[in-house]
Amino acid sequence: AQTVTQSQPEMSVQEAETVTLSCTYDTSESDYYLFWYKQPPSRQMILVIRQEAYKQQNATENRFSVNFQKAAKSFSLKISDSQLGDAAMYFCAYRLTQGGSEKLVFGKGMKLTVNP
Amino acid sequence: DTGVSQDPRHKITKRGQNVTFRCDPISEHNRLYWYRQTLGQGPEFLTYFQNEAQLEKSRLLSDRFSAERPKGSFSTLEIQRTEQGDSAMYLCASSLAVPPEQYFGPGTRLTVT
Repeated sequence: AQTVTQSQPEMSVQEAETVTLSCTYDTSESDYYLFWYKQPPSRQMILVIRQEAYKQQNATENRFSVNFQKAAKSFSLKISDSQLGDAAMYFCAYRLTQGGSEKLVFGKGMKLTVNP
Repeated sequence: DTGVSQDPRHKITKRGQNVTFRCDPISEHNRLYWYRQTLGQGPEFLTYFQNEAQLEKSRLLSDRFSAERPKGSFSTLEIQRTEQGDSAMYLCASSLAVPPEQYFGPGTRLTVT
């Protein structure tokens, strides 16, 4: 079974600084998607970024970028120029691409605090 | 379209009562998913629909849980004979086949007393 591990339960960063959130996963599949979701306090889950396993290029969305290391099964999220609005729970998630389950498998999440 | 909506947002019920939650997905999305999230944990998959067909159910979905999507649009999740362990946030998400991103609703927070 696929598993997703976020080993750091909490992190903090100063406003305008850069922070990296780590995620590892376990799968025997070669074709899958990886996601980072953000869940602000008392608000709904928001997609931050997606990475396809077959793509060697790391995904980037504005201030958010990933470091995808397929052989190491590692998928970290870098947030540049951190803003107060980035404070949230961040979840790493995995999904098969096709021919199998479409469910998302989530890690336990990491609470990010942004200090002014 | 304003996204995935869920109703009610909060539900308090007594142990042993039945509850039903509703999810309205993004209109053009043919896939609909239910997850459960407890405090301090990531969401856990419960079940998913492609159009009106329920294609996958988690082992978490005991016999007391049932989900429907009768016309391939909105979905309902019913919990019969609620237990205190059912207290959680119930999340609904929807997607297309491609791209695979799942868009989440605000959730229904269930408290069983």
